[in-house]
Amino acid sequence: GDSVTQMEGPVTLSEEAFLTINCTYTATGYPSLFWYVQYPGEGLQLLLKATKADDKGSNKGFEATYRKETTSFHLEKGSVQVSDSAVYFCALRDTGFQKLVFGTGTRLLVSP
Amino acid sequence: DAGVIQSPRHEVTEMGQEVTLRCKPISGHDYLFWYRQTMMRGLELLIYFNNNVPIDDSGMPEDRFSAKMPNASFSTLKIQPSEPRDSAVYFCASSFTDRGRKAQYFGPGTRLTVT
Repeated sequence: GDSVTQMEGPVTLSEEAFLTINCTYTATGYPSLFWYVQYPGEGLQLLLKATKADDKGSNKGFEATYRKETTSFHLEKGSVQVSDSAVYFCALRDTGFQKLVFGTGTRLLVSP
Repeated sequence: DAGVIQSPRHEVTEMGQEVTLRCKPISGHDYLFWYRQTMMRGLELLIYFNNNVPIDDSGMPEDRFSAKMPNASFSTLKIQPSEPRDSAVYFCASSFTDRGRKAQYFGPGTRLTVT
């Protein structure tokens, strides 16, 4: 079945450091891929998405490129801020399905 | 434009009591999802509806859990009787059909504590 694998956390960075959170997936069809962010005490918010191979999703300085050849959708940001501290979830939705398949989440901690 | 609305935001109840969680999806969305999040099990899909009809309830943990969607703008998740292991954050999400391209939008969640 479909699955999403994320790197284990927590990821601990200093402010202005470069961020990469790895995400790889397994799917039978041609999935859409998503990154969600969850701030403490809040629900999940859509951060960015990509619907087909080579698409790049971007939002708030975060980027992720849909790489079909490596089945990956890594999240990157050039310079993180303390306010980026949160849990990040990678997810996919396979063609013809409405269910999202989530990774386990990666906690990011950014210190001043 | 209002997002997904959930109530209550926090619920504390005693074991054995009935608990009802409520959700109002985004207007125009035709899919509604109920999730549960715990430290141990992460984010779990419990059930989802399409046009008010339950499509997949395979994630509902047991018969104590039930969900309804009487109309397009309202859904409930009921636990009867509640147990301490039901303590979790319950999220509702909604989306619009578009061959899988559309994202799900989550509500703020209901934090349930069963003592």
